[in-house]
Amino acid sequence: GNSVTQMEGPVTLSEEAFLTINCTYTATGYPSLFWYVQYPGEGLQLLLKATKADDKGSNKGFEATYRKETTSFHLEKGSVQVSDSAVYFCALSDPFSNDYKLSFGAGTTVTVRA
Amino acid sequence: DADVTQTPRNRITKTGKRIMLECSQTKGHDRMYWYRQDPGLGLRLIYYSFDVKDINKGEISDGYSVSRQAQAKFSLSLESAIPNQTALYFCATSVSGFSEGETQYFGPGTRLLVL
Repeated sequence: GNSVTQMEGPVTLSEEAFLTINCTYTATGYPSLFWYVQYPGEGLQLLLKATKADDKGSNKGFEATYRKETTSFHLEKGSVQVSDSAVYFCALSDPFSNDYKLSFGAGTTVTVRA
Repeated sequence: DADVTQTPRNRITKTGKRIMLECSQTKGHDRMYWYRQDPGLGLRLIYYSFDVKDINKGEISDGYSVSRQAQAKFSLSLESAIPNQTALYFCATSVSGFSEGETQYFGPGTRLLVL
């Protein structure tokens, strides 16, 4: 079956620090990969996605590259801000399955201090 | 106005009670989902529906039921609530059709406490 493993948190950083959150996956097919973000008190929203190997998703200064050879989709940001404090979820979807459901990692809580 | 709304946002109930969580969407999407979020476990799929006449069980459907009253409405019921159903519940929607990287849109969540 499909599964996602992401690095455990919590992660605490200072403003302007470099952020990386590791994510690896197991899938039987050719999944699409996502990063969702959950700000305090809110629902999840899509941060970025990639649909095939070597694709790079990017948004709000965040980037992640779909690496099929290492089955990874690590999230990076070069200079974080206090407003980036949130829970980040890595997820995958198998577009060839019948349900299109998302399989989520456990989530990584990131706190950025001023 | 939000595209995906959930009511109530917070609910406290007692063991054995039946409760219903409601989800409405204005995105015009065919597909709707219910997830629960528990600390350290991410989100797990409870039920999903591809249209009004199509309901499917997810990973953890035991103790839950759903109703798709209309394309825009998808309700989750706990027939007899128990404390380990205390969690944050999310509704999500997505558009139908073959599409790599299908994106789901989430509501704000319902925080449920079962005493």
